[in-house]
Amino acid sequence: KQEVTQIPAALSVPEGENLVLNCSFTDSAIYNLQWFRQDPGKGLTSLLLIQSSQREQTSGRLNASLDKSSGRSTLYIAASQPGDSATYLCAVPEGNAGNMLTFGGGTRLMVKP
Amino acid sequence: DVKVTQSSRYLVKRTGEKVFLECVQDMDHENMFWYRQDPGLGLRLIYFSYDVKMKEKGDIPEGYSVSREKKERFSLILESASTNQTSMYLCASSSLAQRGVKDTQYFGPGTRLTVL
Repeated sequence: KQEVTQIPAALSVPEGENLVLNCSFTDSAIYNLQWFRQDPGKGLTSLLLIQSSQREQTSGRLNASLDKSSGRSTLYIAASQPGDSATYLCAVPEGNAGNMLTFGGGTRLMVKP
Repeated sequence: DVKVTQSSRYLVKRTGEKVFLECVQDMDHENMFWYRQDPGLGLRLIYFSYDVKMKEKGDIPEGYSVSREKKERFSLILESASTNQTSMYLCASSSLAQRGVKDTQYFGPGTRLTVL
């Protein structure tokens, strides 16, 4: 069964810093990987989805990379802002059907003004 | 704009009560999911449905049942609520996954259920 791990579990940085969140998965036979954002007490919002044929995806100040062979993905946030404070989760499809996702435990990010 | 709605943001129930959590999506998605989220345990799948009247157990189905009578609506039922079912419940939907085709799950705002 796929296992997804995110390190660190929590991160606190001053505003303006560039930062990297890490995600690792045990079964490299995935066909995409997603990064989500969750604000406290709210649902999840999809940020980026990387197909297995891609190595990275960019959206604004966010850049996600995928290395299937090593079972790793990173989410890079440039010039962090207090509004980036949230929990970030990565997820990969479970099984061949791909309808279900396995989530990592998340990284709780706080960006201090 | 994509939308998944859940019937309540906050709910307080007593032990033994029957509880219904409703989820509605307006995207004509085939798949719908119910998760619970607990500190330190992350998101865990309870049930999912890939079509009307179809359901599959997730990782933690015990104590729960589901109903999908219409494509847009997926209900989670706690037959007899217990205190260990106090949690945040999240509903999601997605289109039918095809390998290599972009697909993501869209989440509702969540229902925080407290069982006393």
